[in-house]
Amino acid sequence: KAGVTQTPRYLIKTRGQQVTLSCSPISGHRSVSWYQQTPGQGLQFLFEYFSETQRNKGNFPGRFSGRQFSNSRSEMNVSTLELGDSALYLCASSFGGADEQFFGPGTRLTVL
Amino acid sequence: EDKVVQSPLSLVVHEGDTVTLNCSYEVTNFRSLLWYKQEKKAPTFLFMLTSSGIEKKSGRLSSILDKKELFSILNITATQTGDSAVYLCAAFSGTYKYIFGTGTRLKVLA
Repeated sequence: KAGVTQTPRYLIKTRGQQVTLSCSPISGHRSVSWYQQTPGQGLQFLFEYFSETQRNKGNFPGRFSGRQFSNSRSEMNVSTLELGDSALYLCASSFGGADEQFFGPGTRLTVL
Repeated sequence: EDKVVQSPLSLVVHEGDTVTLNCSYEVTNFRSLLWYKQEKKAPTFLFMLTSSGIEKKSGRLSSILDKKELFSILNITATQTGDSAVYLCAAFSGTYKYIFGTGTRLKVLA
């Protein structure tokens, strides 16, 4: 079956702009989590959605937001981009319990 | 605050060596521990552990969880250059959050 897909794969933006990233989970998976990965910080949890509800969120400013649609696809939005937002953004899907997550290929965001 | 700590941070070995990677956790309402391998792309799933003392094996890789002492180890025997990667562990909490460690970078020399 198809894996987790993320679009776009690469993005270049300038400071102050906003960006929307998309994630399509594995068919049947209802949970989608988002992570920011940087060389110094590792994988930092952004938020988790299950059946269109955000169940948890990490310690990121309100500029980072997300949503999930009825087909379990999820989007993440970052407004007023800062240079420090440059990172690899990964999403991962699972059935929603204490089960394994499967990661998408990521979106590499560069903020100039 | 929930945290996962991995050690060592990095490791260089020669092909054929055996390595042990460590992961300790302090997580509220702990449910499971997962191991991932990350090369130059997204992490790929290796193991999920929920019960203490039960070893999981896949080829040359094995892992075990100790819920009393709050740690897990990942063993790789007869290492190969293809095992070179960053190995991540993550703890899943009952608040629907996966907390990742910063990873162990393993380099296997031919």
